[in-house]
Amino acid sequence: TQLLEQSPQFLSIQEGENLTVYCNSSSVFSSLQWYRQEPGEGPVLLVTVVTGGEVKKLKRLTFQFGDARKDSSLHITAAQPGDTGLYLCAGARGAGNQFYFGTGTSLTVIP
Amino acid sequence: NAGVTQTPKFRILKIGQSMTLQCAQDMNHNYMYWYRQDPGMGLKLIYYSVGAGITDKGEVPNGYNVSRSTTEDFPLRLELAAPSQTSVYFCASSYRQGATNEKLFFGSGTQLSVL
Repeated sequence: TQLLEQSPQFLSIQEGENLTVYCNSSSVFSSLQWYRQEPGEGPVLLVTVVTGGEVKKLKRLTFQFGDARKDSSLHITAAQPGDTGLYLCAGARGAGNQFYFGTGTSLTVIP
Repeated sequence: NAGVTQTPKFRILKIGQSMTLQCAQDMNHNYMYWYRQDPGMGLKLIYYSVGAGITDKGEVPNGYNVSRSTTEDFPLRLELAAPSQTSVYFCASSYRQGATNEKLFFGSGTQLSVL
């Protein structure tokens, strides 16, 4: 079983379209992060959200942490081919505040 | 400044063989982690360490062992390789400042196949 479920698992869209990726759990997290991973490489951190209801913007990417700190979303406006990759959410919880990763969303943006 | 370095990049093992995946970081990070990534399953935490001499189990520790004798190195040992351990393994490190200020730096991964 996975602590964090992401949807959709796969997403293929045309350049210029908008999209939203969801990260859901029944558990509460002290913080939540979003990573992007390219083939053959490790994940790279995009953003950390800490407060329930928090919204952060990174150029065309908008991240939101749920009010109850159990879920998050990533919205991309006007997607570009360079946005193609695997998007992973990761929530921190537990005695050592370890990060637990979601199942991942593989995004392909077609030129 | 190399960041997190993992070796080897690829390895094929026979069932029952043993091996050590090496991980080194040069950022003086106190926290280090081992994850495995299976297709469609995201990353799962195997073991982690909060400092030299201290290690603890993650979500999927069975079949693995770790040690942390120095701040820089965090090797992962597979004693009796099984096909279920076929996966991509990622080492990560971080410097934690407070409970919510942490950035994980990942190595480029080791692709392991057990046949």
